[in-house]
Order: sequence, then structure tokens, then C-alpha cells
Amino acid sequence: GAVVSQHPSWVICKSGTSVKIECRSLDFQATTMFWYRQFPKQSLMLMATSNEGSKATYEQGVEKDKFLINHASLTLSTLTVTSAHPEDSSFYICSARDGGKASDEQFFGPGTRLTVL
Amino acid sequence: KQEVTQIPAALSVPEGENLVLNCSFTDSAIYNLQWFRQDPGKGLTSLLLIQSSQREQTSGRLNASLDKSSGRSTLYIAASQPGDSATYLCAVTINQFYFGTGTSLTVIP
Repeated sequence: GAVVSQHPSWVICKSGTSVKIECRSLDFQATTMFWYRQFPKQSLMLMATSNEGSKATYEQGVEKDKFLINHASLTLSTLTVTSAHPEDSSFYICSARDGGKASDEQFFGPGTRLTVL
Repeated sequence: KQEVTQIPAALSVPEGENLVLNCSFTDSAIYNLQWFRQDPGKGLTSLLLIQSSQREQTSGRLNASLDKSSGRSTLYIAASQPGDSATYLCAVTINQFYFGTGTSLTVIP
């Protein structure tokens, strides 16, 4: 089956630093990738939709200048949390759609747990 | 390894019917269970979140129940509407998400 990886799986950083999270489709070309976050005891929420070669579409309330998304290739999308603060501590998860298939099925990465001190 | 199964895989009902979607999981040591809706080409929309200590959650016409001991959850949709047509996914969380296979729902006007 299709595999999506995320790196790192967890990261701890100091307030004010930037953190980059990678999402890779290992055995398929992902024309569309989605980024989600989940705060403790809350539902998973969509942050943005990323199409290869174009700018990401952000959901309402998500700051595009704070959460930089780059989908430069068909197998890699990155989410950079700029000037991270403790309130950005969350579980970030990506998913990818296989551009070679008509199916809408999304394949999810294992997630990245970010803790900002 | 956690396995999450959804039954049925597809469901077609006339408008106005009440319906139940089923989700089962093999490892009961979950942190929570969530139900999502997926529209074609779109990201997931969270519908209901049930913490492991809870038995059910309700939102409008939706009601989700959780029986951890038996590894089951149901999503009940009352008075279905054509706009409810979508794929519904359940997911359990332990240290990562485990998603079910989804139920494709079509509500016929």
C-alpha cells in the first residue's frame, strides 16, 4: 500500500525558533497534500491544502505567513512553523493523494509532535 | 498492530432515512476516536471526537457512540439529506492515527 512518512516524528524547540516538518510520499506521486494539526483533546483540523507547483490554500484562521508550506516536488511537502511559540505546540499530520489514481483516498503520515518551550 | 474496519464500504439511501455507519478496531487501548467527513478532492472535516472516557457525542443530526471494550463505534445520521453524501472515515488515536477504510454514502433525493 501507499506509504507516507513524516520527519521528524517529534521535535522540541525553544520559543522563537523555526521548525520544518517534512512529508514524503514514498511509493507514489502526490499531486495534493494536506496538512492538519490536532491540539490536545481536540479534533484533527485541516490547516491547508497543498498542490504540487502552486501556492497552498489555507483554511480560515490559519496564518499563511506563520505556517509556510512548500510542495516543490511530487513526493515532498514541507511545513515550516516560523517563530514558534508555546501555543503552536501540537500534533501535525500530513496526508497525500495519489495523483496517478482516480480515487480520492488519502494516505496519512504518522504525524509530528511539536513541543515549543 | 491496530486495525480499523468500517462497514459497509458503500451505502445508498433515499433522502430522509436514518442510517448507521459502523467502525470497529482491534486494540481497545485508544486515546480517542474521531469521525471525519471527506468530500471529493477536499481535506478531511472533523465531525465528532469521542475521548476514551466518553460513551457518545452529539452534534446536530449526528450522534457517535463508543464502546471501547468491544472495539466498536457507530455514527448515526438522522434524517439524511443529499448534502450528507460523502465518504465517512473513523480514526482511532493511540500514539498515532489509525484510519478506517471509509464508508461512501450517497443520499438520493
